[in-house]
Amino acid sequence: DIVLTQSPDSLAVSLGERATINCKSSQSLLYSSNNKNYLAWYQQQPGQPPKLLIYWASTRASGVPDRFSGSGSATDFTLTITSLRAEDVAVYYCQHYWTTPRTFGQGTKVEIK
Amino acid sequence: EVQLVQSGAEVKKPGESLKISCKGSGFRLSDYWFGWVRQMPGKGLEWMGIINLADSDTIYSPSFQGQVTISGDKSISTAYLQWNSLKASDTAMYYCARQPYYGDYVGFVDLWGRGTLVTVSS
Repeated sequence: DIVLTQSPDSLAVSLGERATINCKSSQSLLYSSNNKNYLAWYQQQPGQPPKLLIYWASTRASGVPDRFSGSGSATDFTLTITSLRAEDVAVYYCQHYWTTPRTFGQGTKVEIK
Repeated sequence: EVQLVQSGAEVKKPGESLKISCKGSGFRLSDYWFGWVRQMPGKGLEWMGIINLADSDTIYSPSFQGQVTISGDKSISTAYLQWNSLKASDTAMYYCARQPYYGDYVGFVDLWGRGTLVTVSS
């Protein structure tokens, strides 16, 4: 199975500041034939189901604010939240869809400092 | 409206059987697979498996193979997750997850159900 390791496990960021979450894959998620990375990011706010934020490593899902951005390629990926807002308090997960099982990272909890 | 509607919370005893459901509406079934994701109390997300309702093709995570059964009924756009003999360790929230089908592979989860809480306790 592909293992996704997120770092850090948690972080506290001041309102208006930047939050950066990393996701490292145990194998490359880049498909050379289409130059796409098979990685998605999800946000799970307290008491809510997860919500898709980013797919293909860097494409924002419909309705996702542009303060959320994804970057990276192959085995190293980053989710960045610029100018953190109170409603961004959540746990964030990366997930690959390269093969099955479609494993998730362990999650990163973002809180307000 | 595009949505996944899951069945309600369940409280069961160890050894009992259970089948929970997820009904999709507002979208074309053939464009998507349905999946299930487990979230144990206070823990992260675990991918259990997926099913193509059009032909019942099913793929399980090795971690869940033999522990649960994923099935579906395309005539009512509904996927199911079933246990024959529940254990206390099955206590969790179970999310239904829609995944787009691109013909040769199944993509990310683009729509989530609200979850079904299953509590197994004697």
